[in-house]
Amino acid sequence: AQSVTQLGSHVSVSEGALVLLRCNYSSSVPPYLFWYVQYPNQGLQLLLKYTSAATLVKGINGFEAEFKKSETSFHLTKPSAHMSDAAEYFCAVRSGSYKLIFGSGTRLLVRP
Amino acid sequence: NAGVMQNPRHLVRRRGQEARLRCSPMKGHSHVYWYRQLPEEGLKFMVYLQKENIIDESGMPKERFSAEFPKEGPSILRIQQVVRGDSAAYFCASTSSSYNEQFFGPGTRLTVL
Repeated sequence: AQSVTQLGSHVSVSEGALVLLRCNYSSSVPPYLFWYVQYPNQGLQLLLKYTSAATLVKGINGFEAEFKKSETSFHLTKPSAHMSDAAEYFCAVRSGSYKLIFGSGTRLLVRP
Repeated sequence: NAGVMQNPRHLVRRRGQEARLRCSPMKGHSHVYWYRQLPEEGLKFMVYLQKENIIDESGMPKERFSAEFPKEGPSILRIQQVVRGDSAAYFCASTSSSYNEQFFGPGTRLTVL
């Protein structure tokens, strides 16, 4: 069975600092991995996805993630945090052709 | 191009009442997925529907919950005799085919008093 673990339910950074949100996955087959962002009272927006092409994936809003098979990780990073990045972030793995399995989420707080 | 639409955005029900949640997929999309997000948790898959067919309902509770996606009109998630534990955000997503990116609606936040 596939699963996703997000370490840290809350992450706080200063504006301009590096953002690092951790995601580890478990999958018996080559995974398709996703990062979504959820702003308050809104739906999920896709930030980026890994589909077995390049291991470093660039997404929207300056985010990127690196797929590391040896570490079963897909951590999300952004070099410089902006106040508008404050939101909840979900890592997900696709099970089969359509079912998304989500982690429990990490809430990012950005301090001025 | 309108995205996935869900209504109502907020729904309050008393225990024992019925809740009906609606989802209109993006134009051109005929695949709909429902997910539930309990407080402080990630989204959990409930059901996958195509027009007039339930493809996978493995995540749906066996009792009180049902879903449909008729030939015309929105997809409906129906919860009968709601209980406090049904309080959650219910999200709908749609795709043009099962392998494509799922686009999510803004969700319906159900509160059961």
